[in-house]
Amino acid sequence: DTEVTQTPKHLVMGMTNKKSLKCEQHMGHRAMYWYKQKAKKPPELMFVYSYEKLSINESVPSRFSPECPNSSLLNLHLHALQPEDSALYLCASSQGAGGTYEQYFGPGTRLTVT
Amino acid sequence: QKEVEQNSGPLSVPEGAIASLNCTYSDRGSQSFFWYRQYSGKSPELIMSIYSNGDKEDGRFTAQLNKASQYVSLLIRDSQPSDSATYLCAVDGGSNYKLTFGKGTLLTVNP
Repeated sequence: DTEVTQTPKHLVMGMTNKKSLKCEQHMGHRAMYWYKQKAKKPPELMFVYSYEKLSINESVPSRFSPECPNSSLLNLHLHALQPEDSALYLCASSQGAGGTYEQYFGPGTRLTVT
Repeated sequence: QKEVEQNSGPLSVPEGAIASLNCTYSDRGSQSFFWYRQYSGKSPELIMSIYSNGDKEDGRFTAQLNKASQYVSLLIRDSQPSDSATYLCAVDGGSNYKLTFGKGTLLTVNP
């Protein structure tokens, strides 16, 4: 069973749309992450939430807006995206925040911006 | 800037052989090292973590860490076609507690 779930699996949106990606972890972890991954590239960190507070924002454009309603849920609100934002968006969780902890990824949301 | 270097491959090995994947890192302060497997179109899957110098074995996988040489490797014994994937090396950032990924090595196991 996948302990980090993401919805939707696929999303196609226009540049004027507003949509949200959702992530839920069932591992009791206290840190959650959003990554963006382009084809044949490694994941790029976007945001880190620790104990439901934003602790890292990797200078991501404001058209991406994260939200952490509770320690198990993480959302990424999307607005006025550009075609170059098309990518695989990955959610991950870990016991604590930072690179010393094992991070477990969800299956991802494949986003296409038209 | 902290860097994690991997041979991009592709690395091609016959079925049943040992596949050896290598990774070097630049930050001497790094303490935690991870190997992820990523099948095409799928998300990364954690397969090994290692924190101390030496070898760590888990089934057909062995991770090796040498902090003095700033080198971490992954050996896959009795390679199977199902092992064909991109393997990502990830290293903690030391004082910067981000996880830094290498670009990945594409492994192909030929039947």
